[in-house]
Amino acid sequence: NAGVTQTPKFRILKIGQSMTLQCTQDMNHNYMYWYRQDPGMGLKLIYYSVGAGITDKGEVPNGYNVSRSTTEDFPLRLELAAPSQTSVYFCASSYVQRQETQYFGPGTRLLVL
Amino acid sequence: ILNVEQSPQSLHVQEGDSTNFTCSFPSSNFYALHWYRWETAKSPEALFVMTLNGDEKKKGRISATLNTKEGYSYLYIKGSQPEDSATYLCALGVQGAQKLVFGQGTRLTINP
Repeated sequence: NAGVTQTPKFRILKIGQSMTLQCTQDMNHNYMYWYRQDPGMGLKLIYYSVGAGITDKGEVPNGYNVSRSTTEDFPLRLELAAPSQTSVYFCASSYVQRQETQYFGPGTRLLVL
Repeated sequence: ILNVEQSPQSLHVQEGDSTNFTCSFPSSNFYALHWYRWETAKSPEALFVMTLNGDEKKKGRISATLNTKEGYSYLYIKGSQPEDSATYLCALGVQGAQKLVFGQGTRLTINP
């Protein structure tokens, strides 16, 4: 199993550009999550999904959108990039039962200039 | 809003010394307490999941305890090594919630 994979690893965006961060897991996990890592602030939950077709907002959803058309994929979309969205983004997934151990992807480093 | 507090925020320890740090959380509606190890430039990796009051878990030189009545968990590292340098995150699972609440982490640096 590859586990949780994320692409790209690194990206530079100009203000106002849009992009999609990809996340795929091959563990048949129902639960998937998007976090951002802010310096000194740990992990902040952006969006999460409890299954295909179901998504919900986390702590910091503004400026982002998600979709979950399949169990495996949970892309995160930035529509109008802003410097405040410069961060490292982590995707994670967990088993059917809620609050089980989350498995994290390697992260996407995003720089908005 | 649930608040999970970790202390200290950062810690410098001499190689070979033992250390410990704390995760504090509201005890009502407790479901599970997770510990993750997060090395710089890598992704968080699960260490332990504890669900019962009095639980103790051990993995090599690292161990953890749980007190759900008073709302805290300790993580212990015995005989610290440079490879133990990382941020240690705790995360709380609560009855009725569908996500974990993460603490800010304790950043541990082991000085050779």
